[in-house]
Amino acid sequence: GESVGLHLPTLSVQEGDNSIINCAYSNSASDYFIWYKQESGKGPQFIIDIRSNMDKRQGQRVTVLLNKTVKHLSLQIAATQPGDSAVYFCAENMRGTYKYIFGTGTRLKVLA
Amino acid sequence: GAVVSQHPSWVICKSGTSVKIECRSLDFQATTMFWYRQFPKQSLMLMATSNEGSKATYEQGVEKDKFLINHASLTLSTLTVTSAHPEDSSFYICSARDGVGYEQYFGPGTRLTVT
Repeated sequence: GESVGLHLPTLSVQEGDNSIINCAYSNSASDYFIWYKQESGKGPQFIIDIRSNMDKRQGQRVTVLLNKTVKHLSLQIAATQPGDSAVYFCAENMRGTYKYIFGTGTRLKVLA
Repeated sequence: GAVVSQHPSWVICKSGTSVKIECRSLDFQATTMFWYRQFPKQSLMLMATSNEGSKATYEQGVEKDKFLINHASLTLSTLTVTSAHPEDSSFYICSARDGVGYEQYFGPGTRLTVT
């Protein structure tokens, strides 16, 4: 299930299940979106990206969906594994600036 | 490819002293580098953007005299936290663009603890 902590919401899923992590982005003019995985004490690790002219993009075990109408981004992880446990951030690129705005993040906990 | 390193990975300093953090692009030339700060259980907040050979652009609320950024070459940017205080303790992360696309390549971060 999903719970909201003091700063970071947490999503707990059983190993082998699919995970869906959601993100509401802030700027309707943003033209590029990225999902990052961050493990404790490490820098962000690129997972997948999508441009604003697309609404879906698939990678290995991951899919990103973009809904510009409601400014919503989601990351789907298939067959979630213990190694997927981390904090996941979405980021949006502000058109014309190359600056990223990061979302608040979601902690994914994979239960054995 | 597209590897970014940071040095040091962690540093402890006394209140009132200054500390320098380096960010290097190892296998590409970084036209733009970014510095972020991340407090525990929070997101990354952009502090400043720097282009090689020009002054950094700071985000609103970031003191440019306290966080000195130098982007002296296409592979190196430094962040100096001057007169550090305990509230400056944080995880500092840099990223770099190669000027081709939108993607930023992130470093591993530097943990700063001010005592």
